[in-house]
Amino acid sequence: DGGITQSPKYLFRKEGQNVTLSCEQNLNHDAMYWYRQDPGQGLRLIYYSQIVNDFQKGDIAEGYSVSREKKESFPLTVTSAQKNPTAFYLCASSPHPPLDRARNQPQHFGDGTRLSIL
Amino acid sequence: GENVGLHLPTLSVQEGDNSIINCAYSNSASDYFIWYKQESGKGPQFIIDIRSNMDKRQGQRVTVLLNKTVKHLSLQIAATQPGDSAVYFCAERDSNSGYALNFGKGTSLLVTP
Repeated sequence: DGGITQSPKYLFRKEGQNVTLSCEQNLNHDAMYWYRQDPGQGLRLIYYSQIVNDFQKGDIAEGYSVSREKKESFPLTVTSAQKNPTAFYLCASSPHPPLDRARNQPQHFGDGTRLSIL
Repeated sequence: GENVGLHLPTLSVQEGDNSIINCAYSNSASDYFIWYKQESGKGPQFIIDIRSNMDKRQGQRVTVLLNKTVKHLSLQIAATQPGDSAVYFCAERDSNSGYALNFGKGTSLLVTP
C-alpha cells in the first residue's frame, strides 16, 4: 500500500546532540512537509519542499534543518540549537506543490515521531 | 495575526447521535478548507475538504458546511460511532498567499455507549 513512513516512532536526544528523523513516501507526491505538534496544540510548519533539491522555511524553522535529495525522502534534523525539541513531529506530503493554486490537494500524514530529551 | 480556532475544546456524544464540530477562521481570503481526524499517537487522517466556491460537501457519514459570511466551518458526523472518538482539526489556506495550511487547536470528540 502507498503511504508515508516515519521512523523511528520514538527518539531520545541528549544535550548537545543532533538527531535526524526519517520520512519516506511512496505516493509519488511532489511536495513534502514537516510539522511540529505540542500537547493540546495544532500543527506548526517547520519546513516544506515542493521539488527535489529545493525547500523553504516554515513558521518555526530555527534549530531545524532538512534535505530533499530524492523525491521520496525528506529527512528532518533537530539540531542542538533547538532548545525545546520535545514534541511530536509529523511529516506530510501532497500531490502538487502548494503554490499550484488551481489544484488544491490535502496533505497526507505519516504516524509521527515522538522526540524527548534525556 | 490570522488564526483558526475551535468553539469547543471537547465534545461528548452518545453512540448513534449526530455530532457537530465547529471551527471559526479569521482570514477572509482563505479559499481551501480541510478536516482531519487524529487518533492518539497517530498522524492526522484526512476526512473531507471543501473549496470556497462551495458551501456544502458530503462524504461517507460526514458533511462539511462552509459559511463564508461569518467565516465558519463545521463538520457533521452522522450516527456517531465509538471509532469516531478522536481529536478533529480544521485547517485552512489562502492559496494566493502561498504554502501554509493553518491548523486550529483541535476538538476532542468522545463517543459514549
